[in-house]
Amino acid sequence: AQRVTQPEKLLSVFKGAPVELKCNYSYSGSPELFWYVQYSRQRLQLLLRHISRESIKGFTADLNKGETSFHLKKPFAQEEDSAMYYCALSNNNAGNMLTFGGGTRLMVKP
Amino acid sequence: GAGVSQSPSNKVTEKGKDVELRCDPISGHTALYWYRQSLGQGLEFLIYFQGNSAPDKSGLPSDRFSAERTGGSVSTLTIQRTQQEDSAVYLCASSRSGLAGVPYTYEQYFGPGTRLTVT
Repeated sequence: AQRVTQPEKLLSVFKGAPVELKCNYSYSGSPELFWYVQYSRQRLQLLLRHISRESIKGFTADLNKGETSFHLKKPFAQEEDSAMYYCALSNNNAGNMLTFGGGTRLMVKP
Repeated sequence: GAGVSQSPSNKVTEKGKDVELRCDPISGHTALYWYRQSLGQGLEFLIYFQGNSAPDKSGLPSDRFSAERTGGSVSTLTIQRTQQEDSAVYLCASSRSGLAGVPYTYEQYFGPGTRLTVT
C-alpha cells in the first residue's frame, strides 16, 4: 500500500530563515509526487510537482528515490508562506487519486 | 474560468439523517474525485469518476456512503444515517483526465469544500 509521511505537524521559523518541510513516501511503482498548499481561508492548490523540476514562489523539491523522500525547501522564508502544506503521491496505476501526508503547518514569524 | 464549486458550504445535521453534498467540476474535466479532510484521518480519498466508466469506490469508509455523477459532470455524494464520525470537510476535485496507466497525473483542482457537522 502506498503511504506518505510528514513527520512534522508544525514548523515555526523566523522570516528570512531557511525552511525544509519533510516528506517520505512508500510506493511500489514509479512515484509521482506533489506538494499542495492551503493558505488561510483558501482552497487547496497545487504548489509544485516533481516532474516539473521548477521553483514556485521560491520553493523547490527534489525527488530522492534512494531515500524515498520529497522534501520541500526554501532558502529564505517569507511571512506570506505561512500555510498548511501537504505532500501527496499519485496512484498512477489506478485513477491517479492522491494519497496525502498528514500535513505540516508552516508559521513564519516576523 | 470558473473553478470547482461545491454546495452547501456548511451543513449541520442530526445523527441518523441523510445528507447530500454537491460538486460542480470544471467544464471539460473528465475526472472527478471526492476526498475527506478530518482531524483524525487527515486528507483521504473516497471515490473517483472517470468519464462514463464505473467509479472507483475503494476509498469509501462504509456502505452508508455513495456517490453518483450525472451526465459526466455534476456529482453528488450521499451519506445515509449520518454518524458523528462523519463530521469532516468533504472536498471535491476535478482534472482533465485520470486514466490509469498514463504516466502523467494531471493537476487536480479542488473546490472550497463542504463542512459537515453531525450533532
